[in-house]
Amino acid sequence: DQQVKQNSPSLSVQEGRISILNCDYTNSMFDYFLWYKKYPAEGPTFLISISSIKDKNEDGRFTVFLNKSAKHLSLHIVPSQPGDSAVYFCAASEGEKLTFGTGTRLTIIP
Amino acid sequence: GAVVSQHPSWVICKSGTSVKIECRSLDFQATTMFWYRQFPKKSLMLMATSNEGSKATYEQGVEKDKFLINHASLTLSTLTVTSAHPEDSSFYICSARDLPSGSKDTQYFGPGTRLTVL
Repeated sequence: DQQVKQNSPSLSVQEGRISILNCDYTNSMFDYFLWYKKYPAEGPTFLISISSIKDKNEDGRFTVFLNKSAKHLSLHIVPSQPGDSAVYFCAASEGEKLTFGTGTRLTIIP
Repeated sequence: GAVVSQHPSWVICKSGTSVKIECRSLDFQATTMFWYRQFPKKSLMLMATSNEGSKATYEQGVEKDKFLINHASLTLSTLTVTSAHPEDSSFYICSARDLPSGSKDTQYFGPGTRLTVL
């Protein structure tokens, strides 16, 4: 039972344009959501997070939106840069336990 | 930033042998460490949570006698895969959490260990 889903396994975006990565979840007990970036043969690195009491959090080029009623969150990256090419995982937290999505491979085209 | 290391980065072993993977927090004390497993093109699956000085808490479906976890100090946790079989081949990632006062963001991941069982 996949409680956190990323339905797009891959996404290609032109450099300078906006990248939008999506994530859906089913467990209404999740109270905190995070996005991680992962390069091959490396562990995930934290990008940005949002509490369930908010609907938007922004940090530089990264913005995370949360729609609790739809159980949906998204990560916007603008402008996209070549260094953003990686696999992006969304994760949801219940207590200290993280549940990860399956990841979306983002490729930024120069 | 906080750094978590894992050793070895990759290991190949024969079926039936045991393999130990170390996870160390290099510049902070980790009261809690987590062990994940990632299958190809799949998400990271939490295997167990270990707290320093106490027994690990295993997720449903994870055999505690097969995956032995020891969190002996605030900077070291080990995962031992006992009597490894080819189906145990996977990418194992640990993470370490800062002191309890840290926010939910403060879970730092190691680089992972690729285990191949022949």
